[in-house]
Amino acid sequence: GAVVSQHPSRVICKSGTSVKIECRSLDFQATTMFWYRQFPKKSLMLMATSNEGSKATYEQGVEKDKFLINHASLTLSTLTVTSAHPEDSSFYICSARVPGLPSYGYTFGSGTRLTVV
Amino acid sequence: DAKTTQPPSMDCAEGRAANLPCNHSTISGNEYVYWYRQIHSQGPQYIIHGLKNNETNEMASLIITEDRKSSTLILPHATLRDTAVYYCIGINTNAGKSTFGDGTTLTVKP
Repeated sequence: GAVVSQHPSRVICKSGTSVKIECRSLDFQATTMFWYRQFPKKSLMLMATSNEGSKATYEQGVEKDKFLINHASLTLSTLTVTSAHPEDSSFYICSARVPGLPSYGYTFGSGTRLTVV
Repeated sequence: DAKTTQPPSMDCAEGRAANLPCNHSTISGNEYVYWYRQIHSQGPQYIIHGLKNNETNEMASLIITEDRKSSTLILPHATLRDTAVYYCIGINTNAGKSTFGDGTTLTVKP
């Protein structure tokens, strides 16, 4: 149980276009989801906390207008990279806290490799 | 959330036990210690968690010191597929987020 499905796994887009990444909790309700960005050989960097039915909370230095987050239901959060540029190329990962785990431990999606050309 | 410190890299021979340490001296009383691992280009995978007592599951064992300032993840019989980056983090029910440290890159060698 406690599976988070993330799509797409890989995407290539042209500069200036927008890309949407979906994160779904398949067998539980996730009122809170998290979005991370990861550069090669680096750790996960938290970008924002996505709250169902309310605005996302962004970490310092993360552009809200660049990385749009929508959490319209208890099972779906989306991250849209708007007007993508090559420097937005990265590995993006979502996670959700699992009600069944102590302290609501995390379960993670499989990640999305974004390449902007 | 607790700041964690881990050695950047470790090697282990296939079939031997891999012992991965983590320092979390700032952990609060209601924070659980969680361990995850990440294989290249995949999302992190849950391994094990604990609060005070030592824990064991089908993947690993977790040894937490009595003062809770550090812990050790033990993979009893490492295989080549255990090569990954291992992260320990503290997770608190009162906080919405936890910060990942740099983790330990474990390389299991034949």
